[in-house]
Amino acid sequence: GAVVSQHPSRVICKSGTSVKIECRSLDFQATTMFWYRQFPKQSLMLMATSNEGSKATYEQGVEKDKFLINHASLTLSTLTVTSAHPEDSSFYICSARRQGYEQYFGPGTRLTVT
Amino acid sequence: KQEVTQIPAALSVPEGENLVLNCSFTDSAIYNLQWFRQDPGKGLTSLLLIQSSQREQTSGRLNASLDKSSGRSTLYIAASQPGDSATYLCAVNTDKLIFGTGTRLQVFP
Repeated sequence: GAVVSQHPSRVICKSGTSVKIECRSLDFQATTMFWYRQFPKQSLMLMATSNEGSKATYEQGVEKDKFLINHASLTLSTLTVTSAHPEDSSFYICSARRQGYEQYFGPGTRLTVT
Repeated sequence: KQEVTQIPAALSVPEGENLVLNCSFTDSAIYNLQWFRQDPGKGLTSLLLIQSSQREQTSGRLNASLDKSSGRSTLYIAASQPGDSATYLCAVNTDKLIFGTGTRLQVFP
């Protein structure tokens, strides 16, 4: 149990376009979902925390108007990178947590902006 | 501000060696500490989770210890194998996970 999926696994887009990444908890209801970003050979950096039905809480330095997070249901959160630029190219990983349990991580999405 | 550091940053060893990976954190007010494995281009695999009240956890050839008062955790890998080659990340839970800098491990035959 406790499987988290992400879609797509890889995406290439042109500079200036927007990209949506989905994160789903497949066999449990996630009260909280987290979005992380990982640059090459670096560790994971938390971008934002979202609770179902509430606005996301963004970490310092993360532009909330650029990285739109929606957590409309207990099994789905989406991250939209708006007006993407090459510097947004990164590995984006989500995780999901149900009340009182640990976080379960998705397989990640590789975003390349050309 | 919680900071998590891992030493060494990289390690290359012949198979069969016993290994110790280190993780240190600056604020001892944590709920738990978790060790993960990450293969290149992949997501995270949880290895061990130690609650703040625990001293150690074991799973197969892996043993993780936690000394909360000194802000340290170690991951011990016994009889390393080439399949253990990956990046190992520790993360402390303060209601959100703060990840360490990682240790890239290579075990060669």
